[in-house]
Amino acid sequence: GAGVSQSPSNKVTEKGKDVELRCDPISGHTALYWYRQSLGQGLEFLIYFQGNSAPDKSGLPSDRFSAERTGGSVSTLTIQRTQQEDSAVYLCASSKGLAEYNEQFFGPGTRLTVL
Amino acid sequence: KNQVEQSPQSLIILEGKNCTLQCNYTVSPFSNLRWYKQDTGRGPVSLTIMTFSENTKSNGRYTATLDADTKQSSLHITASQLSDSASYICVVSERGSQGNLIFGKGTKLSVKP
Repeated sequence: GAGVSQSPSNKVTEKGKDVELRCDPISGHTALYWYRQSLGQGLEFLIYFQGNSAPDKSGLPSDRFSAERTGGSVSTLTIQRTQQEDSAVYLCASSKGLAEYNEQFFGPGTRLTVL
Repeated sequence: KNQVEQSPQSLIILEGKNCTLQCNYTVSPFSNLRWYKQDTGRGPVSLTIMTFSENTKSNGRYTATLDADTKQSSLHITASQLSDSASYICVVSERGSQGNLIFGKGTKLSVKP
């Protein structure tokens, strides 16, 4: 496809369960970002990947959150032992290079609800 | 602390009217400022990107202005349409940050017929 895709679009889980969120960036984009958007709040940076460099994990809120990017393309955000405060929309974005200098293209997001 | 503040938080206007959204930031050193439109249930879509040397940029009926001295930006929407109903997000990039953009909370615009 031409844009960034994310799956699933909606995820409802029980507190304490693990979840995996997937992001397919635009082909050829070397940078990939994960953000979290809580109701009434701005986007919160979680992690980004740029090429083969070590990811910037400085935004991950706890060690329950992790992400990987395989083959420089698809990325998976994993949340272990989910808590109710993890409920939010998780957005993925990709860009040709670092977002500071390049336009970011966002996916539609995954709405996570933790019961 | 680097922050981006937007006002108003929400706005209701009639179709065909103009409106202006405001963004103030404290990000330093400054790299660029972007305005995004986010429809309900969708990801943000870029409207404009302005660097330090640019003080105005247009994209159709959307015109963004930037005053880097006062650290203020505005987004003016002309002849609003129902499809303009969305959240408008101001985003500032810190020079040298490599990738960590700072997002405002957005202004939720509702255009009524």
